[in-house]
Amino acid sequence: SQTIHQWPATLVQPVGSPLSLECTVEGTSNPNLYWYRQAAGRGLQLLFYSVGIGQISSEVPQNLSASRPQDRQFILSSKKLLLSDSGFYLCAWSVLGRIGNTIYFGEGSWLTVV
Amino acid sequence: RKEVEQDPGPFNVPEGATVAFNCTYSNSASQSFFWYRQDCRKEPKLLMSVYSSGNEDGRFTAQLNRASQYISLLIRDSKLSDSATYLCVVNPNYGQNFVFGPGTRLSVLP
Repeated sequence: SQTIHQWPATLVQPVGSPLSLECTVEGTSNPNLYWYRQAAGRGLQLLFYSVGIGQISSEVPQNLSASRPQDRQFILSSKKLLLSDSGFYLCAWSVLGRIGNTIYFGEGSWLTVV
Repeated sequence: RKEVEQDPGPFNVPEGATVAFNCTYSNSASQSFFWYRQDCRKEPKLLMSVYSSGNEDGRFTAQLNRASQYISLLIRDSKLSDSATYLCVVNPNYGQNFVFGPGTRLSVLP
């Protein structure tokens, strides 16, 4: 069966520090991969998605970037964090099913920028 | 108009009650629909897909109304453990894009 794992689960970072969140998927090949952010009490905001190695689409311009160095690995990065980057970051993958693609999420990473 | 809209709630219902949520979507060409459940400080998890003919999974029933562009979720015999936020999700074209509603918060009270 397929599994998705992301880490770290929780982190507290000072303003201006770098960020790296990592996500891996197992049990599938060539998945669509996503990074979402959920601010406190808000809905899910799509940040990046990828349909293949090295292919990244950005939905929201900001100081974050994403990379996909391997088929089942997706990384979210920042060179300098802002206070507004605080939130719940979710990695996800999708697979084509009976009625089209279905999306599944990792456990999430709680980021607090102080 | 937002792509996917939901009443944010909260819906506060007693145990055993029946509760229904609606979700409207703006893209009439949308092809697939889902309900997800999100517990506090956790990731969203797939509750059920919504088929054109409607579908039922235990106490949960999902319906799709393409003419009026909404989907619904009915929960019968509510349990305390049903307390969560319910997200409506639309996949416009069977592709890789998913549009999430803001969620409806449900609290089932003893």
